[in-house]
Amino acid sequence: DTAVSQTPKYLVTQMGNDKSIKCEQNLGHDTMYWYKQDSKKFLKIMFSYNNKELIINETVPNRFSPKSPDKAHLNLHINSLELGDSAVYFCASSGGRISSYEQYFGPGTRLTVT
Amino acid sequence: GQSLEQPSEVTAVEGAIVQINCTYQTSGFYGLSWYQQHDGGAPTFLSYNALDGLEETGRFSSFLSRSDSYGYLLLQELQMKDSASYFCAGSDSWGKLQFGAGTQVVVTP
Repeated sequence: DTAVSQTPKYLVTQMGNDKSIKCEQNLGHDTMYWYKQDSKKFLKIMFSYNNKELIINETVPNRFSPKSPDKAHLNLHINSLELGDSAVYFCASSGGRISSYEQYFGPGTRLTVT
Repeated sequence: GQSLEQPSEVTAVEGAIVQINCTYQTSGFYGLSWYQQHDGGAPTFLSYNALDGLEETGRFSSFLSRSDSYGYLLLQELQMKDSASYFCAGSDSWGKLQFGAGTQVVVTP
């Protein structure tokens, strides 16, 4: 059974479109995260939810909107996609804020904006 | 916020020992984690140091010195499968993990 899963794995779309990425974890964790990894492999946190509550909201354009329907799911919706949004987006989870040092990552969603 | 610095690339032969250093400047620093990421794969957790000293996990060990704002990951008995990127990451009281830029380890036969 996959611990942290994301769909889709690949996403190719045109500028200006709106797209969503879904994430689910079956580890029973309380905290989930979204990261963006650019072409230079720099991994940057975007958002974090703890028990459905937003606890980390980094400097991210408001075209990006996370949503956590329950503590096992965290989705990311992106409006008006731009070329610079092309990256790999990783979802991750941890047991809680205190154990944020050990995170379990999903396989990633490679987003290409043309 | 935090900033973490680590070398961009290290090359070594199979069987060798590699040390990846990480220096950090932080506010609210809790501890230092290490992650491994193979090309095309997801980061996977390797090790964590909250206190000063050495933590050993099989062929990998990690060290932290809070007074020096410094840590390192030691990879022993290098194998070809260890070729990957290694990231140090600092955690804070808010549960945020700030990653370094990563060190590409290249293992040659």
